Amino acid sequence: EIVMTQSPATLSVFPGERATLSCRASQSVNNYLAWYQQKPGQAPRLLIYGASTRATGIPARFSGSGSGTEFTLTISSLQSEDFAVYYCQQSNNWPLTFGGGTKVEIK
Amino acid sequence: QLQLQESGPGLVKASETLSLTCTVSGGSISSSSDYWGWIRQPPGKGLEWIGCIYNSGNSNYNPSLKSRVTISVDTSRNQFSLKLSPVTAADTAVYYCANYGTFTGRFDFWGQGTLVTVSS
Repeated sequence: EIVMTQSPATLSVFPGERATLSCRASQSVNNYLAWYQQKPGQAPRLLIYGASTRATGIPARFSGSGSGTEFTLTISSLQSEDFAVYYCQQSNNWPLTFGGGTKVEIK
Repeated sequence: QLQLQESGPGLVKASETLSLTCTVSGGSISSSSDYWGWIRQPPGKGLEWIGCIYNSGNSNYNPSLKSRVTISVDTSRNQFSLKLSPVTAADTAVYYCANYGTFTGRFDFWGQGTLVTVSS
């Protein structure tokens, strides 16, 4: 099983600032990496797939990068609606696995 | 646009069987190349993949749950289902159904989720 580790667990950021979230895989997942955003009481929403492709309707301030075992989600200028929990998920191998999440909170 | 909706009991007794159904609208399970999956989230915790099934019935499960899980598909009703047995308090969670792109590796559309509480 591929273990996905996200860091930091919590990220405190001022609105308008840049946020950088990390996701590390215990072995290579190539570029089979997706990112999701989850707000309280809501289902997760797909942001990025294929490590760097934005899903339909996702603003350009969200970008993904990386391959192999190291991945990054960057939010270039945090808006109020971006404060949420973010999860990475690998699909290179069964079983599918999620990271533990990074909570982005207002500083 | 694809829509998914979970249904089933919100309260299950420990040692019994949790049964949930996901109804898909806006698309056909039988003609789709997607997998159909279940993910759960214990209160205040992260996401845990349970398993996925293809319209042919081919399925993949989380090894940590495999001995207790069965996912089935009913293409005539455009539904797929989850059974988990026996349950314990640790199975209390919000259960989500979602479609999983076979070639994209992503969960595109999610149900709203349903909270299932296991009582002693």
